[in-house]
Amino acid sequence: EPEVTQTPSHQVTQMGQEVILRCVPISNHLYFYWYRQILGQKVEFLVSFYNNEISEKSEIFDDQFSVERPDGSNFTLKIRSTKLEDSAMYFCASRATESQETQYFGPGTRLLVL
Amino acid sequence: QKEVEQDPGPLSVPEGAIVSLNCTYSNSAFQYFMWYRQYSRKGPELLMYTYSSGNKEDGRFTAQVDKSSKYISLFIRDSQPSDSATYLCAMRGYSSASKIIFGSGTRLSIRP
Repeated sequence: EPEVTQTPSHQVTQMGQEVILRCVPISNHLYFYWYRQILGQKVEFLVSFYNNEISEKSEIFDDQFSVERPDGSNFTLKIRSTKLEDSAMYFCASRATESQETQYFGPGTRLLVL
Repeated sequence: QKEVEQDPGPLSVPEGAIVSLNCTYSNSAFQYFMWYRQYSRKGPELLMYTYSSGNKEDGRFTAQVDKSSKYISLFIRDSQPSDSATYLCAMRGYSSASKIIFGSGTRLSIRP
């Protein structure tokens, strides 16, 4: 069964450094999402992406964040200058079409900012 | 008031019991209601979704939505130890691009 994959599974970085989290959505899916889950807290929406542009973003998704689909396969989340509070599990999700409700989540990347 | 409220648990029940999980919400614009299951160190997995008010059944799982009370429920019949996980309620508005708002999740443990 096709699945969303994410790399790396774990990332440790120093405060102020840039990180890029990578996702490979399910092939032929059209809608892409990033969520984060701070340890012990709820899953929070960051951004949705469709037709090569951002559809919606949350207040968390400030100028330090950006998303890209560079090659029609990968979907990346970049954090330009990481802060301690960016430490969280980051989930990528993809959805096939507008009429398909199911968002398929990847296993997540655990980001730790020191 | 939080948009979505969910009792974090933990909830521990014996195998075979009926489990009831609930969420309340405050935003009347929500139209789609979902339940996700999340195992430890895994991403959320969609269990069920319903549109507007009503019931939906899938095997041992039944989802209920009462929009008048802004209250949603998930019932698990004949619970199994493999059902032990965190259950997240989630909801969104009518537009398919609307962001999903998650509850904080209820940790459920089924004792053999």
